Amino acid sequence: AQTVTQSQPEMSVQEAETVTLSCTYDTSENNYYLFWYKQPPSRQMILVIRQEAYKQQNATENRFSVNFQKAAKSFSLKISDSQLGDTAMYFCAFMNPVNNYGGSQGNLIFGKGTKLSVKP
Amino acid sequence: IAGITQAPTSQILAAGRRMTLRCTQDMRHNAMYWYRQDLGLGLRLIHYSNTAGTTGKGEVPDGYSVSRANTDDFPLTLASAVPSQTSVYFCASRKGASTGELFFGEGSRLTVL
Repeated sequence: AQTVTQSQPEMSVQEAETVTLSCTYDTSENNYYLFWYKQPPSRQMILVIRQEAYKQQNATENRFSVNFQKAAKSFSLKISDSQLGDTAMYFCAFMNPVNNYGGSQGNLIFGKGTKLSVKP
Repeated sequence: IAGITQAPTSQILAAGRRMTLRCTQDMRHNAMYWYRQDLGLGLRLIHYSNTAGTTGKGEVPDGYSVSRANTDDFPLTLASAVPSQTSVYFCASRKGASTGELFFGEGSRLTVL
């Protein structure tokens, strides 16, 4: 079974600085998707960034980037120029793609989350 | 605005009562999911539906049931609520197999006393 591990329950960073959130996963699959979701105090789950395992290039979305190390099964999130609005829970998630026969559930497997606080 | 609507947003319930959490999406997504979120445990899958008329069990299905009579609706029922079912419940749908992204509702906070 696939598992996702976030080893940092809580982190803090000063505004405008850079922070990296760690995530490791375990799978025997070769093709899959990885995600980082943000959950601010409003409780809404917001997609931050997505990575397809077959792509060697690390995904980037504005101030958010990932370091995807497939062999090491590592998927860390780097937040540059941290802003107060980045304060949130961050969840790393893994997904098996749905195959042509629909055998896979296609659901997300989540880590336990990292609570990030950005301090002024 | 297109998306997923969950109801109620919050509910306090006596143990032993029956409760249905509603979930409706207007994006015509085939796959839908119910997760529960508990502090320190992240989100765990309760039940899923790959398409209308089919459902499946997730990681923590005991005490819950679902139905998928049509594409848009995916209600979650607690037949006889227990305090351990106190949680925040999220409904989600999947845009497509090629992207893998899940879209989430705003969650329903349920407290069972």
